Formats: sequence, structure tokens, C-alpha cells
Amino acid sequence: EAQVTQNPRYLITVTGKKLTVTCSQNMNHEYMSWYRQDPGLGLRQIYYSMNVEVTDKGDVPEGYKVSRKEKRNFPLILESPSPNQTSLYFCASSLSDTQYFGPGTRLTVL
Amino acid sequence: GNSVTQMEGPVTLSEEAFLTINCTYTATGYPSLFWYVQYPGEGLQLLLKATKADDKGSNKGFEATYRKETTSFHLEKGSVQVSDSAVYFCALRIPNFGNEKLTFGTGTRLTIIP
Repeated sequence: EAQVTQNPRYLITVTGKKLTVTCSQNMNHEYMSWYRQDPGLGLRQIYYSMNVEVTDKGDVPEGYKVSRKEKRNFPLILESPSPNQTSLYFCASSLSDTQYFGPGTRLTVL
Repeated sequence: GNSVTQMEGPVTLSEEAFLTINCTYTATGYPSLFWYVQYPGEGLQLLLKATKADDKGSNKGFEATYRKETTSFHLEKGSVQVSDSAVYFCALRIPNFGNEKLTFGTGTRLTIIP
């Protein structure tokens, strides 16, 4: 089954404790992206990657890092999380006009 | 810059009612337009899309027509069902070589009551 998977689905952590949210797709898509969803703001792009070893900032990259060492994986790294990064995070991969979204990771930073 | 404006929610309708969710956009260039749906606890799924003016996207009884003159892409369905309860997002993408970024509206929560 074609899908985008994310782990963990839910995470509660404390300020400053480094964390990684994993994202994996099995559709051999070159393009992958991370969004965060906040009430009243819709989804906003954090980072994107056009291919292995090619990443770039989206609209709200501050406080986040990404890497793309393999085509299928695109982890999101929060080196020192802060409460304003409490949000719902979605990974997506894309072929042409259609983006496929993962199920989301709900992160709470205390 | 590019932006999408959706009608404020939440929207509550009775089963079999007619649905319209308004969406207008501002964009440089010639955007592709999309409606995504998010069911409770799930990620976003593409519902329909249109890539040029006057195109009509349709899926699962939902329709939307790309109106360049009014910069709109309103979502409609003739007879809604309880299973249509979800959050609906209008989005645009400017085709280019590089970032496939979607610019989203804020979403409209739809609840259908039996």
C-alpha cells in the first residue's frame, strides 16, 4: 500500500530536550516536505527536499532541522524544542500535482 | 504573496443538504488549485484539483470550478452525508521547478447531523 508513515504519532516532551520525528514514504517520490498545522493558521511549510541531499527552508524553518540521506526518509529534528513548537506536524511526499500526507504527529512541548 | 481565504467555520448541516464552502485566492502566476479533506485523527487527503481556468475538479460527489475572473474555487456537493463530516482545506500551488509547496487556507470544519 502506498503510504507516508510518521513516528511517533504523539509526543509530550520538555523544553530543550532534543527530539526527532521520523517520516518515511514507499512511493519512490523525490519530493518531500514538512508542514505544521496550527489553529486559525492552516498548514505552513517548514522545510522541503527535492531529492537526496537537497533540502531548503520553507516558510517557518526557525528551530527545525532536516536531513535527506535516503530517498524514502525525511526526519524532522528539533534540537532544542520550545513551547511555541507545540503543534500538529505533517510529512508529505509528492508526485507531480498530488501530495500525499502522513497521519500527523501531535507534539506538546512543556 | 500567495494566499488562500476560506469561509469561516464551523459549518453544520443536516444530512442531504446542499453544501457550499467558499474559497478565494491571491496568487502571482497561474496556480493549480486543490481541495484537501482531513478526517478525524488522519492526515490530509486530496479530494479534487483543477490546474487551469474553467477546469472543474470532481470526486465523491464534490465539485469545484476554477474561476479565474473571480479568483475562486468554491467547493460544492448536492447532498451531504454524515460521512462527509471532516475539515476541508482549500490550497494552491504555483507550478515551478523546485518547491512543490502548497499554500493552505485555514480550513473549514464541516459537521453533518442525521
